[in-house]
Amino acid sequence: SQQGEEDPQALSIQEGENATMNCSYKTSINNLQWYRQNSGRGLVHLILIRSNEREKHSGRLRVTLDTSKKSSSLLITASRAADTASYFCATSSGNTPLVFGKGTRLSVIA
Amino acid sequence: GAGVSQTPSNKVTEKGKYVELRCDPISGHTALYWYRQSLGQGPEFLIYFQGTGAADDSGLPNDRFFAVRPEGSVSTLKIQRTERGDSAVYLCASSLVAGTGASEAFFGQGTRLTVV
Repeated sequence: SQQGEEDPQALSIQEGENATMNCSYKTSINNLQWYRQNSGRGLVHLILIRSNEREKHSGRLRVTLDTSKKSSSLLITASRAADTASYFCATSSGNTPLVFGKGTRLSVIA
Repeated sequence: GAGVSQTPSNKVTEKGKYVELRCDPISGHTALYWYRQSLGQGPEFLIYFQGTGAADDSGLPNDRFFAVRPEGSVSTLKIQRTERGDSAVYLCASSLVAGTGASEAFFGQGTRLTVV
């Protein structure tokens, strides 16, 4: 079963625009992580935000977490064609493993 | 090695055959995860290990699937009597810790299994 649900399922934007992806989850968590995947193979970790944090930045990435709404968002600013990929949120709670959502497929058009 | 290594990268097998997929995690990582991913879907959890023991195997779909990690390092995912529905990319990941203090997971490139 999948804990997180990303929204939208697919997103297409022009290079230079910002991309926002959302993730909702069902149960309480210890932390939430965002991953990126190119071409359906290995995932790459982008950022981890703990349940007691509300916002985190890493380069062009900004992640927010609202535990009262059980939701998170990933913002990619000034997008580039190389940002084209699928983006997944994954949650961790108690001793359960990372549980992934279905992902958002982002296309950045040059 | 520098990252998580999975072998083979591709495997084509006939329905009914037995397959083994290998994962070599990052040295020192105690947690090791196996996921399965179908086209257009997110990674689906199968099993994870803390050291040598399976801490959670609730994602294994049925008793044809089994995984081991005898020395707390390399893990093998074993699938008996393969079915066409087992076709997917099998992903392995490792992390320093799992559970409450879960840290980022490092993924291998996956094994694409095709059952014909």
